[in-house]
Amino acid sequence: AQTVTQSQPEMSVQEAETVTLSCTYDTSESNYYLFWYKQPPSRQMILVIRQEAYKQQNATENRFSVNFQKAAKSFSLKISDSQLGDTAMYFCAFMKPPAAASKLTFGTGTRLQVTL
Amino acid sequence: EAQVTQNPRYLITVTGKKLTVTCSQNMNHEYMSWYRQDPGLGLRQIYYSMNVEVTDKGDVPEGYKVSRKEKRNFPLILESPSPNQTSLYFCASSRSGRTVYEQYFGPGTRLTVT
Repeated sequence: AQTVTQSQPEMSVQEAETVTLSCTYDTSESNYYLFWYKQPPSRQMILVIRQEAYKQQNATENRFSVNFQKAAKSFSLKISDSQLGDTAMYFCAFMKPPAAASKLTFGTGTRLQVTL
Repeated sequence: EAQVTQNPRYLITVTGKKLTVTCSQNMNHEYMSWYRQDPGLGLRQIYYSMNVEVTDKGDVPEGYKVSRKEKRNFPLILESPSPNQTSLYFCASSRSGRTVYEQYFGPGTRLTVT
């Protein structure tokens, strides 16, 4: 079974600064997908970024980028130029290929607070 | 507007009183799933459905039932709720195929069982 570990329960960053959230996972699969989801106080789950394991290039979406280290099974999220609206819970998630029914395995989350 | 809806959004009930949380999507998605979110545990899958009349257990199915009689609807049934089922519940849906499609989540249902 796959496991996803987020070792930072809470983090804080000042507005306009950069912060990195850590995520490690354990799997014996060679092909899989990794995601970061954001959950603001509204509780809505919002997809931030995704990475296919077979792609060596790290995914980026505007101010959000990942550092994907397949050999180390590490998938960290970097948020640049942090904004107050980035305050949220962030979940790292793993998915096996679609034949395995698209189940997302989530980490326990990191609560990020962006301060003035 | 493409969306996943859940009802009710908030529910307080008593132990043993059967309840149903509805989930509906308007995107013609084949795949639907239920998760529960608990502090310190993240989200865990309860049940999923690959299409109409095709359902299977996730990681924490005990105490729950589902059905998929229509493609758009995937209700979650708690036949005899207990306090340990107090949680935040999410329904999700996505297309199904050879590649990975984005999962769309509903707004969540906060359930309290006393």
